[in-house]
Amino acid sequence: DAKTTQPTSMDCAEGRAANLPCNHSTISGNEYVYWYRQIHSQGPQYIIHGLKNNETNEMASLIITEDRKSSTLILPHATLRDTAVYYCMGPPGGTSYGKLTFGQGTILTVHP
Amino acid sequence: DTGVSQNPRHKITKRGQNVTFRCDPISEHNRLYWYRQTLGQGPEFLTYFQNEAQLEKSRLLSDRFSAERPKGSFSTLEIQRTEQGDSAMYLCASSLWTGATGANVLTFGAGSRLTVL
Repeated sequence: DAKTTQPTSMDCAEGRAANLPCNHSTISGNEYVYWYRQIHSQGPQYIIHGLKNNETNEMASLIITEDRKSSTLILPHATLRDTAVYYCMGPPGGTSYGKLTFGQGTILTVHP
Repeated sequence: DTGVSQNPRHKITKRGQNVTFRCDPISEHNRLYWYRQTLGQGPEFLTYFQNEAQLEKSRLLSDRFSAERPKGSFSTLEIQRTEQGDSAMYLCASSLWTGATGANVLTFGAGSRLTVL
């Protein structure tokens, strides 16, 4: 399976940008990178996904390095409600487009 | 579109009993997934369906676990002879897989929490 590596935890001040890194050096050229988050006791919530180009939506921006070995999720103006576990992930390696494989994620704490 | 619905939200049972969880996906979604999540861990893949066909099962899905999606719409996950180690959150997700772009965005339900006493 494609393996992703994320820091265990990060802190961010409310109103500041939160930059969450992810290493996915084993990802294949045709595999997307997906970001989800999970607030305590809720199901994971989709944030954004990308293949090669940087992406932006109403929730966040995704910056993918040119070699696709890493990416950064940016929450431009973090709020207390953004406190959650953030998962960076991709499908298994190869041509399977089935399941998404979760890692341990990054616990983001936004403080006042 | 009411999202992915899971029932029951909470289930407490005694060891050895059978339990069944139901998942109603987003109506136009053709793929349906089951994950299990224990405290402090990320969700672990169990199985997924494309329409009514079960395409992949994890080794985590022991003989006591069975999942069905008989008409390609809702799905059930049954656990027979529950054990305390089955206590977890069972998450369902669905997606619309077209194959065209390769992206596969899953929408998750709120989960069904199982406690085995």
